[in-house]
Amino acid sequence: SQQGEEDPQALSIQEGENATMNCSYKTSINNLQWYRQNSGRGLVHLILIRSNEREKHSGRLRVTLDTSKKSSSLLITASRAADTASYFCATTGANSKLTFGKGITLSVRP
Amino acid sequence: DTEVTQTPKHLVMGMTNKKSLKCEQHMGHRAMYWYKQKAKKPPELMFVYSYEKLSINESVPSRFSPECPNSSLLNLHLHALQPEDSALYLCASSQRLADYNEQFFGPGTRLTVL
Repeated sequence: SQQGEEDPQALSIQEGENATMNCSYKTSINNLQWYRQNSGRGLVHLILIRSNEREKHSGRLRVTLDTSKKSSSLLITASRAADTASYFCATTGANSKLTFGKGITLSVRP
Repeated sequence: DTEVTQTPKHLVMGMTNKKSLKCEQHMGHRAMYWYKQKAKKPPELMFVYSYEKLSINESVPSRFSPECPNSSLLNLHLHALQPEDSALYLCASSQRLADYNEQFFGPGTRLTVL
């Protein structure tokens, strides 16, 4: 069953612009992760934020977590054509299982 | 070596065939996973192995049979599949079966059942 719900479902931006993706979830979590998937390939882990953290940075990525609103956002700054991919948020709860959201399709136009 | 490998990349099989998917990692990870992903959908967990023992089975039909021969290898044996089982099958591994570990994914096996 899906836990996360990303918003928007699809996003198209110009190279150099920032891309913001949101994720909402329903039950309490231990951590939230973001993954990227290029077309028809495996997933690549981007960043993990724990439930007691509010913000985390990794290169051009910034992720925030608001446990009171059960939501997270992923910001990709200075986007590149190579950032074109599907992005999934995934939550882990007490059962240690990783549950993925529906995903967001990001298109970065050169 | 920070890679999870999967073979074959593509597999076409009939409903009466028996085939196996293979997954390998040499990162010393002790948790390994099988996911199924349909087109334009998120991955769905099928099985989890922890220290070579089956830890989670997400009510997967018995025509899918997982096996973990050692800490580096994970197999998925397929028998009498249905066309609706056509999907991308992803293998992943993590250090331990714990909630704070990132998972490393292989490139997947694209399975088509005729």
